[in-house]
Amino acid sequence: GQQVMQIPQYQHVQEGEDFTTYCNSSTTLSNIQWYKQRPGGHPVFLIQLVKSGEVKKQKRLTFQFGEAKKNSSLHITATQTTDVGTYFCGGGGSNYKLTFGKGTLLTVNP
Amino acid sequence: NAGVTQTPKFRILKIGQSMTLQCTQDMNHNYMYWYRQDPGMGLKLIYYSVGAGITDKGEVPNGYNVSRSTTEDFPLRLELAAPSQTSVYFCASSQGGGNYGYTFGSGTRLTVV
Repeated sequence: GQQVMQIPQYQHVQEGEDFTTYCNSSTTLSNIQWYKQRPGGHPVFLIQLVKSGEVKKQKRLTFQFGEAKKNSSLHITATQTTDVGTYFCGGGGSNYKLTFGKGTLLTVNP
Repeated sequence: NAGVTQTPKFRILKIGQSMTLQCTQDMNHNYMYWYRQDPGMGLKLIYYSVGAGITDKGEVPNGYNVSRSTTEDFPLRLELAAPSQTSVYFCASSQGGGNYGYTFGSGTRLTVV
C-alpha cells in the first residue's frame, strides 16, 4: 500500500533559524496536504498542493510539490516560538483518504 | 459553525469496560475518519466512512467498531478496553475524501488502567 515517509522526526532550532521538513511517497500522489499540530492540540489544515512542481507561500512558510508528485517540502524562514508544533504531510492517492507521514516535531529555542 | 465536535475530552476506563467516543460534524461532509495518535507514531487510521450507512476498516481496526447512521454522526465503540488502547483519538471529516482538507476535532484522551 501507499506509504509516506517524513523526515526528520525531530528538529530543534534557535529562534530565527530556518526549518525544513520533507515528505516522500512510495507512489504518485493526487495531491499533498500539510497540517500543523500545536502541543496538546489537534491537527489543523494548512495547505493543499495539487500540481506538479507547485510552490505556495503563506507568510514565512513555503510549500513545494515535486515534479513527479511523489515528494514535498515545507520550509519555514526565520522561525519564531509560535512555530512550535508537529508538522504532518498527508498524501492523497485514493479518493477516500489521505496517508499521513509520522510528522516532524519542531521545537524553537527563544 | 462548530466544525467537528468530539466528546468526551478525557476519559479513564478500566480494563474490560466499554465506551463510545462521540463525533459530530455540522459541515455536511460525507467523509469521516477516526484516528488514534500515540507519542511519536503519527496518525493511524482506525475506521473511515464515505457516507451514511457505509464504513470501512483502516490500518488498526481491531478492538473497535463504528457505525454511520447519519451524515453528521460517526461514533467509535470500544467493546473491551485494553491498556494498548490508551491513546489520543481524533475524529476528522472532509468534503471530498483525500482530495480536500480534513477538519479535525479537538480529540479524546483515553487512558485504560
